[in-house]
Amino acid sequence: EADIYQTPRYLVIGTGKKITLECSQTMGHDKMYWYQQDPGMELHLIHYSYGVNSTEKGDLSSESTVSRIRTEHFPLTLESARPSHTSQYLCASSDPTATGANVLTFGAGSRLTVL
Amino acid sequence: KNQVEQSPQSLIILEGKNCTLQCNYTVSPFSNLRWYKQDTGRGPVSLTIMTFSENTKSNGRYTATLDADTKQSSLHITASQLSDSASYICVVSDRGSTLGRLYFGRGTQLTVWP
Repeated sequence: EADIYQTPRYLVIGTGKKITLECSQTMGHDKMYWYQQDPGMELHLIHYSYGVNSTEKGDLSSESTVSRIRTEHFPLTLESARPSHTSQYLCASSDPTATGANVLTFGAGSRLTVL
Repeated sequence: KNQVEQSPQSLIILEGKNCTLQCNYTVSPFSNLRWYKQDTGRGPVSLTIMTFSENTKSNGRYTATLDADTKQSSLHITASQLSDSASYICVVSDRGSTLGRLYFGRGTQLTVWP
C-alpha cells in the first residue's frame, strides 16, 4: 500500500470558494508532484517540487498554487474555484531507484467538482 | 513532438483469457518506460519499469516487452482475473533533464467479464 495520502478524496464546492487539497507522504521522498487527470485523458503535470522551499510550475497552466514547507507535505490551493477546475487531482512523490529512474508513487487522488 | 500512443483505447475480455496492450512512443532521448495500473477512483500503481537495455520484464501475470529500435512496448496479461479490470497507462521518461520528464499515454481501459 502506498504511503502517500490525499485529502479530501471527494469535494463538491461552489464557484468562488477557496480550497486546499492536502498531500502527505511518509517515505521521505524529496520530489513531489501534482497531476491533473480528466476521464480518458493523459495525466498533466501542474506543479512539482525538488524539496523543501522548492516549487515549480508544470506543463499545464494552472491557477493553483503550491507550497513545500516540510518534506512530507505538499498542499495545493485554489484561491477562487471555477467550474473549469472540476477534475481529478493526483499527488505523487519519487526517489531515484538504483537505476536512476524516478518511479512515482501516487496518492489515491482528490476528485474536485465545482458547481 | 514527444508522444505516447496506446491501443486499444478499451478492451473487454472474459475471465481466464490472455490479452496484450500496446504502447508506441516517439519520446527522444529515451530513458525508461513504465506501465502503471489505475483502478477506478484510485491513483496509478507501478507494474514494471524498463530501461533501454531491457527487452522484457515480468511481474506475476504481467509481462512487459520493449523494442527500443521500433519504439514499441507491450503489456501481456496472462489468465486474466476480474481484479485486472482497470486502466493501464504507459509512461515514457526522457533523458533531457535531471527530473526525467514523463510523457503519459491516455491508457487502455480493460474490462474483465466473468
